[in-house]
Amino acid sequence: GQSLEQPSEVTAVEGAIVQINCTYQTSGFYGLSWYQQHDGGAPTFLSYNALDGLEETGRFSSFLSRSDSYGYLLLQELQMKDSASYFCAVREGSGNTPLVFGKGTRLSVIA
Amino acid sequence: DADVTQTPRNRITKTGKRIMLECSQTKGHDRMYWYRQDPGLGLRLIYYSFDVKDINKGEISDGYSVSRQAQAKFSLSLESAIPNQTALYFCATSILGTGELFFGEGSRLTVL
Repeated sequence: GQSLEQPSEVTAVEGAIVQINCTYQTSGFYGLSWYQQHDGGAPTFLSYNALDGLEETGRFSSFLSRSDSYGYLLLQELQMKDSASYFCAVREGSGNTPLVFGKGTRLSVIA
Repeated sequence: DADVTQTPRNRITKTGKRIMLECSQTKGHDRMYWYRQDPGLGLRLIYYSFDVKDINKGEISDGYSVSRQAQAKFSLSLESAIPNQTALYFCATSILGTGELFFGEGSRLTVL
């Protein structure tokens, strides 16, 4: 089986930087994804890491360390609209398996 | 128009009723999924299908069934709804080899 751990809640100040961590335990590993979900909305894809290192997309970056079974999502220059839930998700094995999601981190951005 | 469309968006029903949630997609993806979301529990996989002839159980398939009528259509059924199936249900699609899912807007189901 697999399990993913991420903090349930994070609060940060507008304009600051916040890091949301995700640790996973899987019987195999293919890649780590991140999703954003605003209240009342559907999850939307942010990033995907299959290899170690940092991937940057605008204000958002995602990092993966396969040896540590660990990844994080980094949000810079926080804006109020970044207040949302963020989910990490893993794909096990060869990739021919569905994503398994963490329970999500609720990010609140305050003025 | 949305690429992944779910109907109905909201449904209130009574215990014991049969309910079908429908999902259709115009993305041309072979892979389709049904997830359930409950507060604090994230997204949990109910069923998934990698092509029209392929149906697989997910983590929480008990009490649910699915039908893949065509590449573009994947329906979720609750044969006899119970209150603890009250949740937000999401359909999603993907292509092979990526970590990206494309979600529908969700179907909120309330079972009284």
